[in-house]
Amino acid sequence: SQQGEEDPQALSIQEGENATMNCSYKTSINNLQWYRQNSGRGLVHLILIRSNEREKHSGRLRVTLDTSKKSSSLLITASRAADTASYFCATDNAGNMLTFGGGTRLMVKP
Amino acid sequence: NAGVTQTPKFRVLKTGQSMTLLCAQDMNHEYMYWYRQDPGMGLRLIHYSVGEGTTAKGEVPDGYNVSRLKKQNFLLGLESAAPSQTSVYFCASSPTGSRNQPQHFGDGTRLSIL
Repeated sequence: SQQGEEDPQALSIQEGENATMNCSYKTSINNLQWYRQNSGRGLVHLILIRSNEREKHSGRLRVTLDTSKKSSSLLITASRAADTASYFCATDNAGNMLTFGGGTRLMVKP
Repeated sequence: NAGVTQTPKFRVLKTGQSMTLLCAQDMNHEYMYWYRQDPGMGLRLIHYSVGEGTTAKGEVPDGYNVSRLKKQNFLLGLESAAPSQTSVYFCASSPTGSRNQPQHFGDGTRLSIL
């Protein structure tokens, strides 16, 4: 079963706009991670936010975590065509494994 | 700077055939994982290993076996392939468990079972 569920499933925006993706999960977590997957490639780690953190930044990426609502969001600012990819959230539930959501497919039009 | 390497990249099998997928990492990571990715379902964990000589079941282990004889290699075997095992298979590794550690992924093996 999937722990994280991303919303929306697909998102299409123009270059320069901001993209926001949301992730909801069901059980308590140690951390939540976001990954990017370009077409035909493996997943690439973007950012990890611990359960005691509320916000984290990395370049044009901003991740928030609300443990009371069991949700996280990934914001990509000033999007570029190269940001076109699928984005996945994954939760660490204090085991030895991550549980991935179904992903958001982002298309950035030039 | 290879990271995680998966072989083969593509394979077509007939129902009932067997095969082994190889994953190799050069980062001296303790933990290794095998996932399958099906359309619209994200990644699901098949098996994982917390160190050389150890393996454990993940979410969807049925029909698969694994071995971790060397720290750098993690093999995934299909004993008798079924059409339901048509998928993209990803291997990943991490220094230790997922606790505050990102996973590093290979580029996948695309497997079709006819």
